[in-house]
Amino acid sequence: AQSVAQPEDQVNVAEGNPLTVKCTYSVSGNPYLFWYVQYPNRGLQFLLKYITGDNLVKGSYGFEAEFNKSQTSFHLKKPSALVSDSALYFCAVRPPASGTYKYIFGTGTRLKVLA
Amino acid sequence: KAGVTQTPRYLIKTRGQQVTLSCSPISGHRSVSWYQQTPGQGLQFLFEYFSETQRNKGNFPGRFSGRQFSNSRSEMNVSTLELGDSALYLCASSLAQFTDTQYFGPGTRLTVL
Repeated sequence: AQSVAQPEDQVNVAEGNPLTVKCTYSVSGNPYLFWYVQYPNRGLQFLLKYITGDNLVKGSYGFEAEFNKSQTSFHLKKPSALVSDSALYFCAVRPPASGTYKYIFGTGTRLKVLA
Repeated sequence: KAGVTQTPRYLIKTRGQQVTLSCSPISGHRSVSWYQQTPGQGLQFLFEYFSETQRNKGNFPGRFSGRQFSNSRSEMNVSTLELGDSALYLCASSLAQFTDTQYFGPGTRLTVL
């Protein structure tokens, strides 16, 4: 079955330190990969996506993600965390065109940036 | 450009009732998807509409239904509400193509008593 895993329910990081939020996937073919962020009582906001090309993708608010095909991972990173980055982060995978257009979301990782 | 709007933002219903939620996509977007978000189950895909046709459906009972109008606005309906239907219902729109990014609305918080 196709799936997305975010192995950490919560990640704590000190302000100014680099952060990584992990995502691995199990999908056949070459999927499209996305990261979204959700603030309390809000919908999801798009951060970045990987379709093809350079394995390092840059997105909004200084976030970037690295696609690793051999490890089927798409980890979200930021060189220097801000307190305002504290939120719930979702990784999503969209399987390659095979008749299905469904997104598969991970369970989310809560990021806490400590001042 | 205005974002995805959802109405109402909050709703309280009792078991057995039915409810209709509305979603207006970003102008020009023709695809609308619906998701249910709960603390225990995370984000679960309900269905996706494109040009008034349901293109995909998740694993939800038939009590959950939806439709899309010619102006791309979409509604979802839940009949015979159960306590477990309490959730945040999110609508997302995208242009149409497979690689398109989905943009989410703020959600409708449904509470079933």
